[in-house]
Amino acid sequence: KNEVEQSPQNLTAQEGEFITINCSYSVGISALHWLQQHPGGGIVSLFMLSSGKKKHGRLIATINIQEKHSSLHITASHPRDSAVYICAVNPLYGGSQGNLIFGKGTKLSVKP
Amino acid sequence: DADVTQTPRNRITKTGKRIMLECSQTKGHDRMYWYRQDPGLGLRLIYYSFDVKDINKGEISDGYSVSRQAQAKFSLSLESAIPNQTALYFCATSELARGQETQYFGPGTRLLVL
Repeated sequence: KNEVEQSPQNLTAQEGEFITINCSYSVGISALHWLQQHPGGGIVSLFMLSSGKKKHGRLIATINIQEKHSSLHITASHPRDSAVYICAVNPLYGGSQGNLIFGKGTKLSVKP
Repeated sequence: DADVTQTPRNRITKTGKRIMLECSQTKGHDRMYWYRQDPGLGLRLIYYSFDVKDINKGEISDGYSVSRQAQAKFSLSLESAIPNQTALYFCATSELARGQETQYFGPGTRLLVL
């Protein structure tokens, strides 16, 4: 069983739609990250969360530590939001503090 | 200039060849990582280093070795490349602050082993 599960795996939306991507994890964590990977391959960090909610522009990330669940929302989606969105967590266990466990990603395609 | 750079960006090699992928960073971070990404599998950790004298195996270190020549440089070697090492390879750096870290990724190296 994967320690970090994302849903859906693939998502197609029309421009302007509100989008939600979900991430569930099964381990204790110190933080959760949302990353964006563009079609060219580059990966950028969008958010790092340990509680509550963060907002940056049209992107909103929330986390519920008790339920071990996080969501990434995109409001007023645009074709340039098309990318793979990756959830990753910093696990609390083990001697490799700070290492990330990654989900497999959600591929988002926003059609004009 | 990019904070984390990788060379080469693309490489085609043959089975059995030794190749090295290089990573440099100007962020001044102590922590550096090498990952590979395969379709449908997500990112997997190969090796990581928390400072110049520290090298640790990740989830999938077999067939790979690394060298941390300086704080700014972390190289990944495939001693004898095989086709199932064909993948997209990422270097990353991070800084641990208040028990949390953000990783900064290089642009990736696409490796094809024939």
